[in-house]
Amino acid sequence: NAGVTQTPKFQVLKTGQSMTLQCAQDMNHEYMSWYRQDPGMGLRLIHYSVGAGITDQGEVPNGYNVSRSTTEDFPLRLLSAAPSQTSVYFCASLGQTMRNQPQHFGDGTRLSIL
Amino acid sequence: GDSVTQMEGPVTLSEEAFLTINCTYTATGYPSLFWYVQYPGEGLQLLLKATKADDKGSNKGFEATYRKETTSFHLEKGSVQVSDSAVYFCARAGGTSYGKLTFGQGTILTVHP
Repeated sequence: NAGVTQTPKFQVLKTGQSMTLQCAQDMNHEYMSWYRQDPGMGLRLIHYSVGAGITDQGEVPNGYNVSRSTTEDFPLRLLSAAPSQTSVYFCASLGQTMRNQPQHFGDGTRLSIL
Repeated sequence: GDSVTQMEGPVTLSEEAFLTINCTYTATGYPSLFWYVQYPGEGLQLLLKATKADDKGSNKGFEATYRKETTSFHLEKGSVQVSDSAVYFCARAGGTSYGKLTFGQGTILTVHP
């Protein structure tokens, strides 16, 4: 049981480049989300999804796109990377019947934009 | 809106010292409360949780009690170890969207031998 898997673990981009951060979970969880972690600011919610075909914005959605074509996968896309998007990105998942339970987090993707 | 406030850090302690990291939350709805820990170079791990008022979460010697009257969920440990050095995050979930977690800013703990 792999849980939540994020790829890649590290990435360096140039300003203006695009890339997709991958997130997959094998627990059949309905809820998936993306957070970014910045020093002194904790984790902030970027986008989330309550099921396949349904996505919504979180606290800091600008510059990011998401889609949810399957229950398992929830990729995060940076269309034109900016230095302000240098951060550590975490994907998380939760089952709908687990409302009071903690989310499962991936190990993170460390992204640097030059 | 929902928010979580943690004590300012970093916190530096000697081994076997007593630890308290303060956390307060906004009282909207009936949130579940969590403490997550992040060891250097790793992702987030759940440390403990509490889902209703007066619940006490505990794990690995850490404890936190859900105090509705003071909207607090302070993390405590009676005797810290060097291996407890990490970043600790307080978080709340609940309200209208069950999956949304709101995090505090994190507290860096360093324990010296």
